[in-house]
Amino acid sequence: DIQMTQSPSSLSASVGGTVTITCRASLNIDTYLNWYQQRPGQAPKLLISAASNLQGGVPSRFSASGSGTNFTLTISDLQREDFAIYYCQQSYSSAPFTFGPGTKVDIK
Amino acid sequence: EAQLLESGGGLAQPGRSLRLSCAVSGFTFDDYAMHWVRQSPGRGLEWVSSITWESGNIGQTDSVRGRFTISRDDAGNTLFLQMNSLKVEDTAMYYCAKSRLNGDHEYFHEWGRGTLVTVSS
Repeated sequence: DIQMTQSPSSLSASVGGTVTITCRASLNIDTYLNWYQQRPGQAPKLLISAASNLQGGVPSRFSASGSGTNFTLTISDLQREDFAIYYCQQSYSSAPFTFGPGTKVDIK
Repeated sequence: EAQLLESGGGLAQPGRSLRLSCAVSGFTFDDYAMHWVRQSPGRGLEWVSSITWESGNIGQTDSVRGRFTISRDDAGNTLFLQMNSLKVEDTAMYYCAKSRLNGDHEYFHEWGRGTLVTVSS
């Protein structure tokens, strides 16, 4: 299985601030990497596919990059609705698909 | 707008069975692969199983192989997960998710709100 790790596991930030979350894969997954946001009590929501493709309706303050084994998600101008848990997920191998453990972003 | 609505969760004893359903609307169901993803209380996300259109290809994670069976009724726009020989560690919120392909990049594009499965004696 492809193992996904994320750092940090949690962070605190202020409204209007910028945060960067790192995701690493245990082997080269090219750009087969997706990012999801999960707010409390809600289902995950797809933010970014193929490492850097912002989904329709997702604010442009979200951006992501990376390829191979190292990926980042950056959220600038943090808004209250951005405080959530963020997961990366690899789709390089479907046997099985695997998620990172999540990064919790909360309000400082 | 795609809508996915899971049902069938509840409390079951270890070794018993449950059948989850996911009723979908707002898109052409049989054009898309579908997935089940679970999330244990306070834990992260785990992909469970997937099924392609026309049930041509089925995948599942090792921990459920031989116990869980995914299926779909394209005429009824419904996805199923038959869960047999349940274990305590199967306790989780179970989400169905609509797959989407962009080239050969697959992702979980739309999600239901989930149905909670609790396995306990």
